[in-house]
Amino acid sequence: NAGVTQTPKFRILKIGQSMTLQCTQDMNHNYMYWYRQDPGMGLKLIYYSVGAGITDKGEVPNGYNVSRSTTEDFPLRLELAAPSQTSVYFCASTRTGGDGYTFGSGTRLTVV
Amino acid sequence: GQNIDQPTEMTATEGAIVQINCTYQTSGFNGLFWYQQHAGEAPTFLSYNVLDGLEEKGRFSSFLSRSKGYSYLLLKELQMKDSASYLCAVRDYHGGATNKLIFGTGTLLAVQP
Repeated sequence: NAGVTQTPKFRILKIGQSMTLQCTQDMNHNYMYWYRQDPGMGLKLIYYSVGAGITDKGEVPNGYNVSRSTTEDFPLRLELAAPSQTSVYFCASTRTGGDGYTFGSGTRLTVV
Repeated sequence: GQNIDQPTEMTATEGAIVQINCTYQTSGFNGLFWYQQHAGEAPTFLSYNVLDGLEEKGRFSSFLSRSKGYSYLLLKELQMKDSASYLCAVRDYHGGATNKLIFGTGTLLAVQP
């Protein structure tokens, strides 16, 4: 049982480049989330999904896009990388609210 | 608006008890969570409170008062491995079950010998 798998673990991007952060879960969870964590700022919600085909914006969606074509996968797309997107990105999923989230191991992204 | 407050840092001694407080103001409330996050790692789920009172799980307990917008996490018999950041999070609820969590900035706990 792998849980939530994120790839890559580390990435350096140049300003203006694009990339996709991958997130896959094998627990058949309907709810999936993308957060970013900056030092001293806590976790901020970027996008979330309550099921396949349904996505919505969180607190800080600008500069990002998502899709949810299957229950398992929830990729996060950065189209034009900016230094402000330097952060650690966590994907998470849950079956129901009371279970708490299962987090992936994170992607540490640096934009230079 | 939505606001979650917790102390930035705390220090405690191995074997002692420490209480980490969290106060919140949210427009919708449907449960409070505590997570532990070691440096460089992902958060891991510790506890969940949706009703007032104390929930105990081994060395960790969590308390909730919805009328006061207040929670605390109590760690007993502290061990060096408890040195980590502790995140308070509130589940947002606005007429639909999105299960979104709003996180505080975390309390960095240092356990000293």
